[in-house]
Amino acid sequence: GNSVTQMEGPVTLSEEAFLTINCTYTATGYPSLFWYVQYPGEGLQLLLKATKADDKGSNKGFEATYRKETTSFHLEKGSVQVSDSAVYFCALSDRSYGGSQGNLIFGKGTKLSVKP
Amino acid sequence: SAVISQKPSRDICQRGTSLTIQCQVDSQVTMMFWYRQQPGQSLTLIATANQGSEATYESGFVIDKFPISRPNLTFSTLTVSNMSPEDSSIYLCSVETGAVTFFGQGTRLTVV
Repeated sequence: GNSVTQMEGPVTLSEEAFLTINCTYTATGYPSLFWYVQYPGEGLQLLLKATKADDKGSNKGFEATYRKETTSFHLEKGSVQVSDSAVYFCALSDRSYGGSQGNLIFGKGTKLSVKP
Repeated sequence: SAVISQKPSRDICQRGTSLTIQCQVDSQVTMMFWYRQQPGQSLTLIATANQGSEATYESGFVIDKFPISRPNLTFSTLTVSNMSPEDSSIYLCSVETGAVTFFGQGTRLTVV
């Protein structure tokens, strides 16, 4: 079945460091891919998404490219800030629900801590 | 976009009791989803709730344990029945609108 594998954390970086959080997936068909972020004490928020191969999603300085050849969707940011400290979840959509986004399958999450 | 309100935000419950979690959306949506996030784990879909029909449960989840109501297009409830400490988790409702999935803040449940 469909699955998402995400690098385990926690990840601790200094401010302005480069961030990469690896995400690979297994899926039949052509899923859409997502990164969600959960800031301390808050709910899940969509960070970015890509719906087809070679698409690049971007938001708030974060980027991720849908690589079908390597089944990957790695999250990157060139210069992290303390305010980026959160848990990041990679996810894919299972379109079995009548063509809608339907069920989201999540990775285990990666906790990022950014130190000043 | 969609704004989702979930109640309660947290609760501590005695084993053997039941808790009903409410989810209110600020717009009409066809499908609502209920997820569980166990401590240190990722999110797992419990069921999909469509208005006017019975909820569809994922493998490992049954209606007797997690009954769901969906009386209209903006509201749903999830009940965690006959709770045990293993039910201690964060429970989240979500909706899809405009090809984006939005989540509520979650209900942090602790069973003692």
